[in-house]
Amino acid sequence: ETGVTQTPRHLVMGMTNKKSLKCEQHLGHNAMYWYKQSAKKPLELMFVYNFKEQTENNSVPSRFSPECPNSSHLFLHLHTLQPEDSALYLCASSQAVTGGGTDTQYFGPGTRLTVL
Amino acid sequence: GENVEQHPSTLSVQEGDSAVIKCTYSDSASNYFPWYKQELGKRPQLIIDIRSNVGEKKDQRIAVTLNKTAKHFSLHITETQPEDSAVYFCAASGGSSASKIIFGSGTRLSIRP
Repeated sequence: ETGVTQTPRHLVMGMTNKKSLKCEQHLGHNAMYWYKQSAKKPLELMFVYNFKEQTENNSVPSRFSPECPNSSHLFLHLHTLQPEDSALYLCASSQAVTGGGTDTQYFGPGTRLTVL
Repeated sequence: GENVEQHPSTLSVQEGDSAVIKCTYSDSASNYFPWYKQELGKRPQLIIDIRSNVGEKKDQRIAVTLNKTAKHFSLHITETQPEDSAVYFCAASGGSSASKIIFGSGTRLSIRP
């Protein structure tokens, strides 16, 4: 359960704030993912990084900006969010993305984000 | 793009009975199909997966079947137990974009004692 960690666990922010979510994996993986989980769309892929390169942006609004400085760390920078962005943001990692697709993903505990 | 449909959205079964959850996918190039279980307040965890070169895979009380022609796959849980109560997600990956993984909308499974 400690293989993928996320901070903070809870975040409340105003629409004009700038904040960042952090994810760290201790599994030696090379692929990292950001997901949004809400009642409307239970598990919605946002971004994928494979060997530090962004390989997927699932039409995410520019107010969400990911950063992957190395294979162990993933950030999601937030600015001028909307109330509808309130959700649980999950990070995950997997060994790597290959031609055969993704493989087993290990999820972090998530950050519960509330936008006022 | 890929679309994954999952049914039913809720399922209630008597303890000891079997549960079946079905998913269909649209991208015929998809080749990896995992199933995740998410208990209340916890993170999703992989319970079983199958690749397109296999038709069926079993792990104790859990089995997954894949029909590539019909583009559907199913999760079967036998001899259900209270701890099987959770939300189950299917997913499809490795289609037109190798790094894209699309999840179904989830099935809330309840086991009645």
